Amino acid sequence: AQSVTQPDIHITVSEGASLELRCNYSYGATPYLFWYVQSPGQGLQLLLKYFSGDTLVQGIKGFEAEFKRSQSSFNLRKPSVHWSDAAEYFCAVGDDTGGFKTIFGAGTRLFVKA
Amino acid sequence: SQTIHQWPATLVQPVGSPLSLECTVEGTSNPNLYWYRQAAGRGLQLLFYSVGIGQISSEVPQNLSASRPQDRQFILSSKKLLLSDSGFYLCAWSEGADNSPLHFGNGTRLTVT
Repeated sequence: AQSVTQPDIHITVSEGASLELRCNYSYGATPYLFWYVQSPGQGLQLLLKYFSGDTLVQGIKGFEAEFKRSQSSFNLRKPSVHWSDAAEYFCAVGDDTGGFKTIFGAGTRLFVKA
Repeated sequence: SQTIHQWPATLVQPVGSPLSLECTVEGTSNPNLYWYRQAAGRGLQLLFYSVGIGQISSEVPQNLSASRPQDRQFILSSKKLLLSDSGFYLCAWSEGADNSPLHFGNGTRLTVT
């Protein structure tokens, strides 16, 4: 069965610094991978997705993620963090059994300090 | 454009009382619909999903049920709430194709007292 691991429960970065959030997945074939962001008390918003093709995918709000099959990773990056990026970030993998059961990681909460 | 509405935003209910949370989607037809529950530090747990009217799949045995009386309406219910039903409930929709991205509502914070 698929699984997603986000090793960092929370991360603190300074405003303007670069960011990398880690995500490792377990999947039998080429995975469908997603990153979502959640502001406090809100629903989740899709940042980016990877299905196939170029392993570096661009998303909204200046985020990008790189798929590395050899490392089973799909890390999220941003070159310069803004205070408004403080939120919780979820990595997710699509279902390989029929398509409807997206599996989410436990999330990484990002704190941004001035 | 497509929108998803979920209500109420917050709800406080006593143990043993019934529950009804409603979710509607606009601007699309025949969406896949989902109910997730989110516990602090534990990610999202899929409770139910539906690929069509009257078609409900349950992922976790529990005190809750779901119904889809119309194409773009998804309801989460309980006859008698338990303390353990407290949590943040999220409705979501996706296109009919496999592994389409999810689009979430703003959630309902349910506190059972």
